[in-house]
Amino acid sequence: KAGVTQTPRYLIKTRGQQVTLSCSPISGHRSVSWYQQTPGQGLQFLFEYFSETQRNKGNFPGRFSGRQFSNSRSEMNVSTLELGDSALYLCASKGSGELFFGEGSRLTVL
Amino acid sequence: AQKVTQAQTEISVVEKEDVTLDCVYETRDTTYYLFWYKQPPSGELVFLIRRNSFDEQNEISGRYSWNFQKSTSSFNFTITASQVVDSAVYFCALSEASTNAGKSTFGDGTTLTVKP
Repeated sequence: KAGVTQTPRYLIKTRGQQVTLSCSPISGHRSVSWYQQTPGQGLQFLFEYFSETQRNKGNFPGRFSGRQFSNSRSEMNVSTLELGDSALYLCASKGSGELFFGEGSRLTVL
Repeated sequence: AQKVTQAQTEISVVEKEDVTLDCVYETRDTTYYLFWYKQPPSGELVFLIRRNSFDEQNEISGRYSWNFQKSTSSFNFTITASQVVDSAVYFCALSEASTNAGKSTFGDGTTLTVKP
């Protein structure tokens, strides 16, 4: 059974640009969550999608957005990038009660 | 608001020693879930265990064991006879029953280093 796949794994952007990250959940999983991990703030919840609808949202500015497609694949977008957006962005799909994480997309903002 | 505290930032042990990772949580919910995840250097978090708030039975899985005590709001994790491969960052997490694991609150993690 394939795991959670995130692309791209690494990317470098400059301030003001935007970025789109992609996540393919485990087959059959309909819930996809996104987390931001930084050394200073730890793991913080961004949002969760279920059946193409945002079900939960964390405390992030509107520059952070996401969506989910009918095949459960999800994307998250960050617009007008800031230096503080540099982080590891982790996607997770939910099984019966636990989360299965991808390896993450490491974003560096210069 | 929910909160998870992992007071131990870093722990270093020698192989074969036993080590306990502490986790203390705060929540107003009466029904909730607790989790432990392991994050190796590759980056992805690996699920280890889930506990329901109404199930205080301790659990053992090989060299791993978990002690859940509702009275002290703690969910501690013990590795017996540690091995070098256990070196990783370990996270304790909490979620409301209504949202299940999708929206979890994580502790800051404990970096465990097991030296040969």
